[in-house]
Amino acid sequence: EAGVVQSPRYKIIEKKQPVAFWCNPISGHNTLYWYRQNLGQGPELLIRYENEEAVDDSQLPKDRFSAERLKGVDSTLKIQPAELGDSAVYLCASSLEGQPQETQYFGPGTRLLVL
Amino acid sequence: AQSVAQPEDQVNVAEGNPLTVKCTYSVSGNPYLFWYVQYPNRGLQFLLKYITGDNLVKGSYGFEAEFNKSQTSFHLKKPSALVSDSALYFCAVSENTGGFKTIFGAGTRLFVKA
Repeated sequence: EAGVVQSPRYKIIEKKQPVAFWCNPISGHNTLYWYRQNLGQGPELLIRYENEEAVDDSQLPKDRFSAERLKGVDSTLKIQPAELGDSAVYLCASSLEGQPQETQYFGPGTRLLVL
Repeated sequence: AQSVAQPEDQVNVAEGNPLTVKCTYSVSGNPYLFWYVQYPNRGLQFLLKYITGDNLVKGSYGFEAEFNKSQTSFHLKKPSALVSDSALYFCAVSENTGGFKTIFGAGTRLFVKA
């Protein structure tokens, strides 16, 4: 079974430029999560989708970050414009039905460096 | 609000010795507790979880963890460490509060010396 797929794996951009990350969850998983992992810290939730609906985006900086999951499968996370402080690893995860006791399966992440 | 603490930034252990990585948590209701491992340039991999029932949970690669409600702890253990166990370990907690958020600890780096 294929795991969670993310691309690109690495991205280097200059500040004020836009950037987008893509995630394809495990087939059949209804719930998709985007996390940000700063250096030396654990992942922090940015947004959680159940199918097409964003059910928790309370931690998403909406002035510059946006996300979509139009058909309830793959998802894109965008930053526009990027700031130096956005340098981090962006992790995508998925789970079957979005229950708190479910295991979340993580992709390899996209490492973003903003110069 | 829920929280999780991993009090040690790094744990050093010799190969063949037992290892313990500590985790304590705070929730208002019943917790669901997880351990994940992260290798360099990889995403997090699931090791084990506690939902309910037996306080001793066995997981992947010979790891186990004990849920202690009175001490609000969920320490990760392995009887005999391997060099290949060297990685970053994250404890996480979720609770069912009508919508949920999984909170991760800051991580503990395990270094196993040959």
